[in-house]
Amino acid sequence: GDSVTQMEGPVTLSEEAFLTINCTYTATGYPSLFWYVQYPGEGLQLLLKATKADDKGSNKGFEATYRKETTSFHLEKGSVQVSDSAVYFCALGSFGDMRFGAGTRLTVKP
Amino acid sequence: EADIYQTPRYLVIGTGKKITLECSQTMGHDKMYWYQQDPGMELHLIHYSYGVNSTEKGDLSSESTVSRIRTEHFPLTLESARPSHTSQYLCASKRGQGSYEQYFGPGTRLTVT
Repeated sequence: GDSVTQMEGPVTLSEEAFLTINCTYTATGYPSLFWYVQYPGEGLQLLLKATKADDKGSNKGFEATYRKETTSFHLEKGSVQVSDSAVYFCALGSFGDMRFGAGTRLTVKP
Repeated sequence: EADIYQTPRYLVIGTGKKITLECSQTMGHDKMYWYQQDPGMELHLIHYSYGVNSTEKGDLSSESTVSRIRTEHFPLTLESARPSHTSQYLCASKRGQGSYEQYFGPGTRLTVT
């Protein structure tokens, strides 16, 4: 079945460092792809999405490009802040449902 | 801004007690979900509903039960809580066909002693 595999954590970075969290997917059709973020003590929030190949989703300085040829949707940010510390989930939407990756915990140190 | 609410936010309860975790949404969404989130943060789908009077079991077997009598309300019940039920429970909802995005509540952290 359809699935998502994302980079294992935890990831620890210094403030202003470059962030990449890898996400790859397996799907039989043409899925939509998402990144969600979960801040401590909260539920998941949609961070960005892309619905077709070569689309780039972006929000709050984060970006991800839907790459059909490599079946990937890697999350990037040029300069992380302490406030970006959270758990990030890659997700795939297809055939009416959503599959989540296992989550990657990011800690940003001052 | 998503409007989905969960109560209580935190609950500590003794073994054998019956508990109900509440979830309500004001967006008129048809589909609703319950996830159990383990300490490693992975989400496990335990129940979902397509609409009123519809309930289905998810990927992870759970001793909990759910009901959907009203569109906006999707409570989860544990008849007899055990320490193995200690976890974070997240409720989510989405519109019907043609939409994948799920909107999440803030979660209930349950501790069974």
